Amino acid sequence: EDQVTQSPEALRLQEGESSSLNCSYTVSGLRGLFWYRQDPGKGPEFLFTLYSAGEEKEKERLKATLTKKESFLHITAPKPEDSATYLCAVQDTSGTYKYIFGTGTRLKVLA
Amino acid sequence: GAVVSQHPSRVICKSGTSVKIECRSLDFQATTMFWYRQFPKKSLMLMATSNEGSKATYEQGVEKDKFLINHASLTLSTLTVTSAHPEDSSFYICSARDSQYEQYFGPGTRLTVT
Repeated sequence: EDQVTQSPEALRLQEGESSSLNCSYTVSGLRGLFWYRQDPGKGPEFLFTLYSAGEEKEKERLKATLTKKESFLHITAPKPEDSATYLCAVQDTSGTYKYIFGTGTRLKVLA
Repeated sequence: GAVVSQHPSRVICKSGTSVKIECRSLDFQATTMFWYRQFPKKSLMLMATSNEGSKATYEQGVEKDKFLINHASLTLSTLTVTSAHPEDSSFYICSARDSQYEQYFGPGTRLTVT
């Protein structure tokens, strides 16, 4: 059964204090791993898709990496506006196109 | 970019009534849409997969007679919560799959059943 575990559950950073969020996964065959940002009371906002181990993608202060067992979302010099819940999801190769979501990491960046 | 809308954004209804939530893909056609439920400070729980022109596929434990899904066109899927009760109060989110298999999410609908 596909599983996704995110850590830590919650993270408080000072503005400018870089850190990484972890997404560990177990899947029969990985089709893609997805990162989303979710603000309170809103739907998830797409950030990245990673397809194969060794792949990296960057967007502003965010960088996502992928290995065969986990993905990291690195946040460099975060700002208060980066505060949100970050969700990781995997899609397997079964053809159902379903996402299995992790429980998310709630990030709070203090000014 | 791909945009998905939901309507209404918030709805309050009385116990025993039915509520319909619409999910639309605005700038792309979506043969597959998904419906999720999210409890406070929890992750998204997939309820069902909606395929255009066919019956929805429900996840284990989701009552198909309570949560009716219709996907009548390539840009519209609806979720009807029938005979709603307070325990159905939640944040419902839809997503639409594009041709690259990525999902784009709607802004969510907050349902409160009194």
